[in-house]
Amino acid sequence: GENVEQHPSTLSVQEGDSAVIKCTYSDSASNYFPWYKQELGKRPQLIIDIRSNVGEKKDQRIAVTLNKTAKHFSLHITETQPEDSAVYFCAASKNSGGYQKVTFGIGTKLQVIP
Amino acid sequence: TAGITQAPTSQILAAGRSMTLRCTQDMRHNAMYWYRQDLGLGLRLIHYSNTAGTTGKGEVPDGYSVSRANTDDFPLTLASAVPSQTSVYFCASSDSPTVQPQHFGDGTRLSIL
Repeated sequence: GENVEQHPSTLSVQEGDSAVIKCTYSDSASNYFPWYKQELGKRPQLIIDIRSNVGEKKDQRIAVTLNKTAKHFSLHITETQPEDSAVYFCAASKNSGGYQKVTFGIGTKLQVIP
Repeated sequence: TAGITQAPTSQILAAGRSMTLRCTQDMRHNAMYWYRQDLGLGLRLIHYSNTAGTTGKGEVPDGYSVSRANTDDFPLTLASAVPSQTSVYFCASSDSPTVQPQHFGDGTRLSIL
């Protein structure tokens, strides 16, 4: 089955610096890669996603890159702000047996230091 | 606010008791999912439903059952709770069973003693 590895598990950056979180996946059939942000005690919220026919996608300070050949994708946050502090989850998704099978990474706890 | 409503927000339950976690969505999404979230293990799929009247097993289905009588509701039942089912449970939905963004509820924190 699919295996998604995410690193680092924790990341501390100074406010204004960039943060990069990396994920790798094992199943070449995965074709949709969402990223979720989860604040303490809250629900996971989709912040950006990318499909396998696209190499890069950007939304304001957030960007995601995908390398299908190497089976890895990354989240880039520029000009970090204290409110970016949260746990970030990557995921790899595909249709499997008639449903959307989503495999999540174990998360990266990002701390932005003011 | 439109979206997914889960109840209760938290519960302490004695081992051996039964419990139903409720999930209701008002987005008319076809597909719904139940995940459990455990530290160090991320989110794992328990059961899913592609459309009203159908359900399927996810990655960790043992000890749980679901039903999907209509589009909006997707309850998760623990027939006889065990301590290893202590977790945070999230309900999610997506517009279709194909690869689409999933939207999550606020979660239910369940402790089995």
